[in-house]
Amino acid sequence: GENVEQHPSTLSVQEGDSAVIKCTYSDSASNYFPWYKQELGKRPQLIIDIRSNVGEKKDQRIAVTLNKTAKHFSLHITETQPEDSAVYFCAASIGYAGYGGSQGNLIFGKGTKLSVKP
Amino acid sequence: AAGVIQSPRHLIKEKRETATLKCYPIPRHDTVYWYQQGPGQDPQFLISFYEKMQSDKGSIPDRFSAQQFSDYHSELNMSSLELGDSALYFCASSAPLSSQYFGPGTRLTVL
Repeated sequence: GENVEQHPSTLSVQEGDSAVIKCTYSDSASNYFPWYKQELGKRPQLIIDIRSNVGEKKDQRIAVTLNKTAKHFSLHITETQPEDSAVYFCAASIGYAGYGGSQGNLIFGKGTKLSVKP
Repeated sequence: AAGVIQSPRHLIKEKRETATLKCYPIPRHDTVYWYQQGPGQDPQFLISFYEKMQSDKGSIPDRFSAQQFSDYHSELNMSSLELGDSALYFCASSAPLSSQYFGPGTRLTVL
C-alpha cells in the first residue's frame, strides 16, 4: 500500500523567513496530494492541494510543487507569520474514477511541527 | 458555508462499554470518511462510504462498525472499548474528485 514520508518532523523559523516541508510517496498510482494544517486539538484544515496533472500551484504565500518522476512533493510558505505555527500534514490518495469520481482515502505523513518565532 | 458536523464533541466511556459517533457531511457530498488520530499521531483512515455503500476499509478494528444512512449521515459504532481507543475521531466528506473537508472531531476518552 501507499506510504508517505515527511521531513522535517520539526521546523523553527524566524518571522518573515520561508519554510519548506518535503514529502515522498511510494505508490505511483496516487494522483492527489493535499496539505493540511492542524492546530492543537482542532480539525485538519485543508490549505492547498495539487493533482498529478499539475506541477505547481500557488495561493498567496503558499505554494506546492510536485515531481511525479521522483514521487515527491513540497510545501513552500513564504513570509511566515506567528499564526502559521501549527502541525502540517502532507497526504496522498488515489481518485477512483470508477466510483463516479469519488476520492480515495488519504494516507498522511507523520507531520511537521512548524514554529514561527516573532 | 456549511461544514461537516460531528456529534458528540466529547465522550467519556468506561472500558468494555459501547459508543456511537455521528457525522453529517457537507450537503451534496457523496463520500464520507472516518479517521482516528491518537495523541501526537497522524490521522489513520478507518473506513469510507460512497453513496451509502462501503467503498474502502483501512485499519478499523473488528469491534468497530459503521454505516451511512439514506440521508447521507454516517455513524461509527464502537464496542468493547479499550483504553487504546482513546483518540480524536474525525469524519470528512468530499464531492466527486474534490477535496476532503474534516469535521471538528469527537474526542473519545476511555477510562
